[in-house]
Amino acid sequence: GAVVSQHPSRVICKSGTSVKIECRSLDFQATTMFWYRQFPKQSLMLMATSNEGSKATYEQGVEKDKFLINHASLTLSTLTVTSAHPEDSSFYICSASLGVGDTEAFFGQGTRLTVV
Amino acid sequence: GQNIDQPTEMTATEGAIVQINCTYQTSGFNGLFWYQQHAGEAPTFLSYNVLDGLEEKGRFSSFLSRSKGYSYLLLKELQMKDSASYLCAVIGDYKLSFGAGTTVTVRA
Repeated sequence: GAVVSQHPSRVICKSGTSVKIECRSLDFQATTMFWYRQFPKQSLMLMATSNEGSKATYEQGVEKDKFLINHASLTLSTLTVTSAHPEDSSFYICSASLGVGDTEAFFGQGTRLTVV
Repeated sequence: GQNIDQPTEMTATEGAIVQINCTYQTSGFNGLFWYQQHAGEAPTFLSYNVLDGLEEKGRFSSFLSRSKGYSYLLLKELQMKDSASYLCAVIGDYKLSFGAGTTVTVRA
């Protein structure tokens, strides 16, 4: 299967600061990337869908000004958590697919964010 | 949106068989996935069903009935390393949505 690399795997930041998480498709071009958040013992919740070269589509209840998504190239999408608060502490996972209608999603390793 | 239901927890003995059921309601159905997730790790792909029937892959099999909105994941010859969360995920309207996951505990 295709490889998606997510970085960093763990990050601890102070409340009020911003954190950037990168998601790269290493051996394929990802037209579409997805960002999920997972709280302990809960399922993955889709936060937003990003398409290369266009604005991300955010799910209901997700603040687009707080979770900035940039998908500037076919191999890189970034999620920036701005002005992080302790309640933003979670496991963030990206996935990539080849495009709309492509059925398989390839997951990154995930990023454990802890805001102190 | 999608509504995906699966049991919260299941326990089984090493060497046994466990069946994890998943029911769903969605529009624009375009397939159902099963993923395995160990604590603190990203999900790993197990199976994909888009047509009715059984897909077998080694010790794992997955079944789909689109008319019933139903799938199951069958784990045979359970091993201790199979202890994990198993996520049912459905593609509807080109979005992949996950169930809450079933935590399977394998006991010796």
